[in-house]
Amino acid sequence: DAGVIQSPRHEVTEMGQEVTLRCKPISGHDYLFWYRQTMMRGLELLIYFNNNVPIDDSGMPEDRFSAKMPNASFSTLKIQPSEPRDSAVYFCASRGDENSQYFGPGTRLTVL
Amino acid sequence: RKEVEQDPGPFNVPEGATVAFNCTYSNSASQSFFWYRQDCRKEPKLLMSVYSSGNEDGRFTAQLNRASQYISLLIRDSKLSDSATYLCVVNFRRLDTGRRALTFGSGTRLQVQP
Repeated sequence: DAGVIQSPRHEVTEMGQEVTLRCKPISGHDYLFWYRQTMMRGLELLIYFNNNVPIDDSGMPEDRFSAKMPNASFSTLKIQPSEPRDSAVYFCASRGDENSQYFGPGTRLTVL
Repeated sequence: RKEVEQDPGPFNVPEGATVAFNCTYSNSASQSFFWYRQDCRKEPKLLMSVYSSGNEDGRFTAQLNRASQYISLLIRDSKLSDSATYLCVVNFRRLDTGRRALTFGSGTRLQVQP
């Protein structure tokens, strides 16, 4: 299995631009999570889906952030408009059973 | 107070040493516990689950103390390859949403030196 796939791996953009991060979970996993990691705040859960349905989006920082999961093999996290404080590493993770949450390699976002 | 707290370190130890990390959690209703490992500029990876009776995986031993609300990770005979950040992870039902979620500590950095 290829594991969780994320793209792009690195993104540099200017303030005000729209950013779209993509994730392909492990086949057969019915949970998908989006996290953000910074030095100051550590790893934070933004939103998670179960069977493509958003379950808990209370971690999404503001209306500028939105996430979708149109099917079982694809999810996006969009930031519009982006701001410098959104600079972070964004991880996608998927889970099958209780104990096996697998993370993707992350997208390193820099907003100038 | 943070929901999951860890000493950030770094812990600098020589090869072959035994090192232990603790982690405290604030929610007494926490239901499951894990240790993840994260290498520099990489994603977190599950190291081991933590069971009430304590569990061992090779050189790694994890223990849970529900009464005092802490979990620990012991690494024996440290290797250079053990150098990483170790994240304590707690799964509990959030009071504000009623949903269960994994909450990650900020991690403890370990540097094993030759």
